Amino acid sequence: DQQVKQNSPSLSVQEGRISILNCDYTNSMFDYFLWYKKYPAEGPTFLISISSIKDKNEDGRFTVFLNKSAKHLSLHIVPSQPGDSAVYFCAASANQGAQKLVFGQGTRLTINP
Amino acid sequence: NAGVMQNPRHLVRRRGQEARLRCSPMKGHSHVYWYRQLPEEGLKFMVYLQKENIIDESGMPKERFSAEFPKEGPSILRIQQVVRGDSAAYFCASSPQAGLEKLFFGSGTQLSVL
Repeated sequence: DQQVKQNSPSLSVQEGRISILNCDYTNSMFDYFLWYKKYPAEGPTFLISISSIKDKNEDGRFTVFLNKSAKHLSLHIVPSQPGDSAVYFCAASANQGAQKLVFGQGTRLTINP
Repeated sequence: NAGVMQNPRHLVRRRGQEARLRCSPMKGHSHVYWYRQLPEEGLKFMVYLQKENIIDESGMPKERFSAEFPKEGPSILRIQQVVRGDSAAYFCASSPQAGLEKLFFGSGTQLSVL
């Protein structure tokens, strides 16, 4: 029962272009969404979050879009940089907090110089 | 200001042995969470603890797994009589209070069961 799905296991993008990572969810009780970035042999680090009362949140090069009717969110990175190469996890929570996050399977992003 | 510290980084056990994974939260954090990541999968919630209390253990397997966060010392995730299917990366996270928008994760313990 995969409540949060990232259907693209990997994505390759040219440096300087836009990276778009997608995430779908099935549980309509989810009201808080987060993106985490993970390098090999390290723990996930928080990137950006969005509450269900919003449809967009921006932080520097990172923007998250939420489409509640489609139960879909996406992370845009522009411009993409080589240091952005990592695994990106989408996560969701049902209680406006972060006590119990449900993670997607992750998307491995590779930025090519 | 040290981050979330997990040890050991790598742990090898034979089937039937016990595994003990330790997590020291960030200074000032009293909430600890354990997540498990199986190969090619996302992280899955296991348990949420505060000092001396288990708040939510809905993600813990019913048998062989236990967790504690004592008044003094690190949080411990204990797996008794390990099996090959327990091989995974175990991540600990901490937060200063409940409902915070983000958790701070440690680097994880990679458990390998032979």
